[in-house]
Amino acid sequence: DIQMTQSPSSLSASVGDRVTITCQASQDISNYLNWYQQKPGKAPKLLIYDASNLETGVPSRFSGSGSGTDFTFTISSLQPEDIATYYCQQYDNLPRTFGQGTKVEIK
Amino acid sequence: EVQLVESGGGLVQPGGSLRLSCAASGFTVSSNYMSWVRQAPGKGLEWVSVIYSGGSTYYADSVKGRFTISRDNSKNTLYLQMNSLRAEDTAVYYCARGKYSSSPGAFDIWGQGTMVTVSS
Repeated sequence: DIQMTQSPSSLSASVGDRVTITCQASQDISNYLNWYQQKPGKAPKLLIYDASNLETGVPSRFSGSGSGTDFTFTISSLQPEDIATYYCQQYDNLPRTFGQGTKVEIK
Repeated sequence: EVQLVESGGGLVQPGGSLRLSCAASGFTVSSNYMSWVRQAPGKGLEWVSVIYSGGSTYYADSVKGRFTISRDNSKNTLYLQMNSLRAEDTAVYYCARGKYSSSPGAFDIWGQGTMVTVSS
């Protein structure tokens, strides 16, 4: 199975800050990497697909980059409504695997 | 409106069975990759199973031989039959649609989730 390692596991930042989350795959997954946002008690929501493509309707402050084994997810200017847990997920191989999640809080 | 609505969760004893349903609207289940993803209380996301548009099915090792994914095209509904349930199967179960109809990809539409609790 492909292991997805996210860091940090949690972070606290101020409104307006730039927030960066990294995700490392245990093997080359090309650009087969997605990012999801999950708010408490809610289903995950797709934000970024194929490493860097913004899902329709998602604010442009969210972005993704990377290929191979190393990926980055960025919120350019953190907003109060961005408080959530963020997950990366690979779809290069079965089983599909998720990172352990990064909980983002407001300082 | 494109949406998925799960049902069928509940409390079941260890060793028991449960069937989850996921009714789709706004698109055709049989034309898409459809998956089940679960989340144990306070934990992260775990992929469980997928059924491809062609009908092939795959499972996580943790549920292989116990869970069966299927669909009813006439009802536009996805199912997850869960047998020999264990305490570690306790989770919220989500159904999710694959973004691309003809190849794997992201999960772009998710249901609201249904809670399964395995306990005596």
